Amino acid sequence: DVKVTQSSRYLVKRTGEKVFLECVQDMDHENMFWYRQDPGLGLRLIYFSYDVKMKEKGDIPEGYSVSREKKERFSLILESASTNQTSMYLCASSSGQGKHQPQHFGDGTRLSIL
Amino acid sequence: AQSVTQPDIHITVSEGASLELRCNYSYGATPYLFWYVQSPGQGLQLLLKYFSGDTLVQGIKGFEAEFKRSQSSFNLRKPSVHWSDAAEYFCAVRGASYDKVIFGPGTSLSVIP
Repeated sequence: DVKVTQSSRYLVKRTGEKVFLECVQDMDHENMFWYRQDPGLGLRLIYFSYDVKMKEKGDIPEGYSVSREKKERFSLILESASTNQTSMYLCASSSGQGKHQPQHFGDGTRLSIL
Repeated sequence: AQSVTQPDIHITVSEGASLELRCNYSYGATPYLFWYVQSPGQGLQLLLKYFSGDTLVQGIKGFEAEFKRSQSSFNLRKPSVHWSDAAEYFCAVRGASYDKVIFGPGTSLSVIP
């Protein structure tokens, strides 16, 4: 089975801090994604990557950046955390071999910014 | 633009009753469709997917879904619901760009014992 591991289940940080959320997948997937999930707003795509060192903006990239130095790891960075970035963050990966390939999700990181 | 609607925000059913969760999509070409389930505090788990062939697809946990092109629908069904099925269900469609997936807003399912 595909395993997508997010480094923290819960994280509490302070306003203005630089925050790193880490995600690792073990299936050699080409594509990786970061979403945030908020009540009533569903899943919103922040950034995605279809190859090492490649990144594409999603629907809500403002205030975030990403890094993909290795194929298995995709990091989400909050450059200067703000309270409106308190949310559940979900990482996902998928094979690049065809549009029918589903995304596989990690268990999420619930981030609170105080 | 691609979009996915799930008309029911919340559904409550009795254990043992049948279930149907609705999903409608808007997409110009052949869609790639998915249903995911999310238990509280967890990530999303794939239930089933459709991309070609038989329009009735079987998934895990006893779920099935039927693709109806004429109605632009991909409804999820289960003949007999178990208490453990209480969760949030998301319908999704592959968008125009190669790997972008559009998720619906989700339907929250409660199961009464």
